[in-house]
Amino acid sequence: ELKVEQNPLFLSMQEGKNYTIYCNYSTTSDRLYWYRQDPGKSLESLFVLLSNGAVKQEGRLMASLDTKARLSTLHITAAVHDLSATYFCAVNYGGSQGNLIFGKGTKLSVKP
Amino acid sequence: KAGVTQTPRYLIKTRGQQVTLSCSPISGHRSVSWYQQTPGQGLQFLFEYFSETQRNKGNFPGRFSGRQFSNSRSEMNVSTLELGDSALYLCASSQGDYSGNTIYFGEGSWLTVV
Repeated sequence: ELKVEQNPLFLSMQEGKNYTIYCNYSTTSDRLYWYRQDPGKSLESLFVLLSNGAVKQEGRLMASLDTKARLSTLHITAAVHDLSATYFCAVNYGGSQGNLIFGKGTKLSVKP
Repeated sequence: KAGVTQTPRYLIKTRGQQVTLSCSPISGHRSVSWYQQTPGQGLQFLFEYFSETQRNKGNFPGRFSGRQFSNSRSEMNVSTLELGDSALYLCASSQGDYSGNTIYFGEGSWLTVV
């Protein structure tokens, strides 16, 4: 059974600081996804990582994938309050694109 | 390009009743997946439909069922509702054959069982 573990689950940061969220998964998977969820809202796609060594960046967020270590990271650079949200990683399971196994999420709070 | 549309957005049901939720995927997408989100269990996969066929099913009781129509729209049904079924139900849309990378989610249906 595929398991996806994120850490930390809660993260309180000061504006301007850097931090990394980690996502470990237990078995081989085709690809890895990062999503953002604001309170009471749906999931917003941030990144899709397709291969070993993949790195993607959007604004202050950068995601990377190491398939050998079964590890993805989401790095936050110079955090701002608008980044406060819950971040989820997810991997495909069962051989089909639509079957995602999610981590428990990292609730990020950026304080001035 | 229209996004993933879910209806209804909010609903309140009584224990023992049944509920049907609807999802219209992005035009051209053939895969629709359903997820349940609760504070305790997080995001859990319910099932995926691709070209009207159920392709995968999560670990949920048989009270949870779904179907997909020829236009790719999907419905999920929960019968004999229990208090624990109160959750946000999310629908996800994708091409389903890995030709596209992103999986898009709808705004969700908030179900409260009383």
